[in-house]
Amino acid sequence: AQSVTQPDIHITVSEGASLELRCNYSYGATPYLFWYVQSPGQGLQLLLKYFSGDTLVQGIKGFEAEFKRSQSSFNLRKPSVHWSDAAEYFCAVGAGYSTLTFGKGTMLLVSP
Amino acid sequence: DSGVTQTPKHLITATGQRVTLRCSPRSGDLSVYWYQQSLDQGLQFLIQYYNGEERAKGNILERFSAQQFPDLHSELNLSSLELGDSALYFCASSPKMGQPTEAFFGQGTRLTVV
Repeated sequence: AQSVTQPDIHITVSEGASLELRCNYSYGATPYLFWYVQSPGQGLQLLLKYFSGDTLVQGIKGFEAEFKRSQSSFNLRKPSVHWSDAAEYFCAVGAGYSTLTFGKGTMLLVSP
Repeated sequence: DSGVTQTPKHLITATGQRVTLRCSPRSGDLSVYWYQQSLDQGLQFLIQYYNGEERAKGNILERFSAQQFPDLHSELNLSSLELGDSALYFCASSPKMGQPTEAFFGQGTRLTVV
């Protein structure tokens, strides 16, 4: 069965600083990987996805993620964080068109 | 706006009661998924329907059931409610199966059992 680990429960970043959120997955075949963001009281919004091809994927709001098969990782990055990026971020792995397995989430706090 | 509509947004009910949560998927999407988000368990997959038929089952309790209707909307029925069922319930939809695709999530229904 697939699993996702997000080792950081909380991360605090200064506004304007760079960000990296870690995600490690466990899945037997080629995974389909996703990052979602959840603002308080809101649903989950897709930031980016990886299905195949270029291992560096670009998403919305200036986010990018890199798939590293050798490390079973799919870390999310942003070069300069804005206060509006404060939210909870979820990494997920999907078995193709099937269901998603989510990590526990990382809460991002942005300090002025 | 993802295009997935969930009603109601909030629900408060007593233990032992039964509630129905409703989901309208994005136009054209055939797959509907239900997820439960709680503080202790995180986001857990409950059940998936595709074009009216159950396709996958996750950690769904026997007290919970779901269905997808011919117009593709879905309902999640929760019965004999317990305090521990208090959670945010999300519906998601995606297009046809057979190809990788992302799921689009609704805003969720927050269920509080008192």
